[in-house]
Amino acid sequence: AQSVAQPEDQVNVAEGNPLTVKCTYSVSGNPYLFWYVQYPNRGLQFLLKYITGDNLVKGSYGFEAEFNKSQTSFHLKKPSALVSDSALYFCAVRDSPGGGADGLTFGKGTHLIIQP
Amino acid sequence: AAGVIQSPRHLIKEKRETATLKCYPIPRHDTVYWYQQGPGQDPQFLISFYEKMQSDKGSIPDRFSAQQFSDYHSELNMSSLELGDSALYFCASSLYRANTEAFFGQGTRLTVV
Repeated sequence: AQSVAQPEDQVNVAEGNPLTVKCTYSVSGNPYLFWYVQYPNRGLQFLLKYITGDNLVKGSYGFEAEFNKSQTSFHLKKPSALVSDSALYFCAVRDSPGGGADGLTFGKGTHLIIQP
Repeated sequence: AAGVIQSPRHLIKEKRETATLKCYPIPRHDTVYWYQQGPGQDPQFLISFYEKMQSDKGSIPDRFSAQQFSDYHSELNMSSLELGDSALYFCASSLYRANTEAFFGQGTRLTVV
């Protein structure tokens, strides 16, 4: 079984400050980790993924995430927040590569609010 | 670039009616996933298909069925609709075993009244 925990329902950050959205995971095999963003009444948009290799993954819109195997974490970060980053962020995990098996297991989501 | 297309975007049905949701994956993608996102909830995996065969099954109710056709589009059929089926239904597609992320459509918002 696989699971994802996003411990914060909401994160508030002032514009221009760095932001972190936390995610921890649990899988029985190798983790394949993803971050998606959802704007109101829109579908999920892919931000970045970790499959293998460098623990620091860079993605869309200046976001990056750090894979930490010992802490089973995959926190999303951005050095300088923009008001337009305000949205709902989902961390997801899969224990298999490609498009087979179980699909994605999502966390409950974290509302990111960037204050001007 | 072409994205995942879902139709209809919005659908209103009465209890006990049936509904069919359609999903057209990104060209050359061979795997389709269906997810259900209730109000204020995280997306829940329902079912997936690879090369027209069911690949995996999640929390899909027995009242729902789905299939993938030869052109790789997929349809989610929902019968005996209940108020609790009101949700945003996402379809996603990916290329099997290519270590690619799943690309999501904008979803179909189903309201059961």
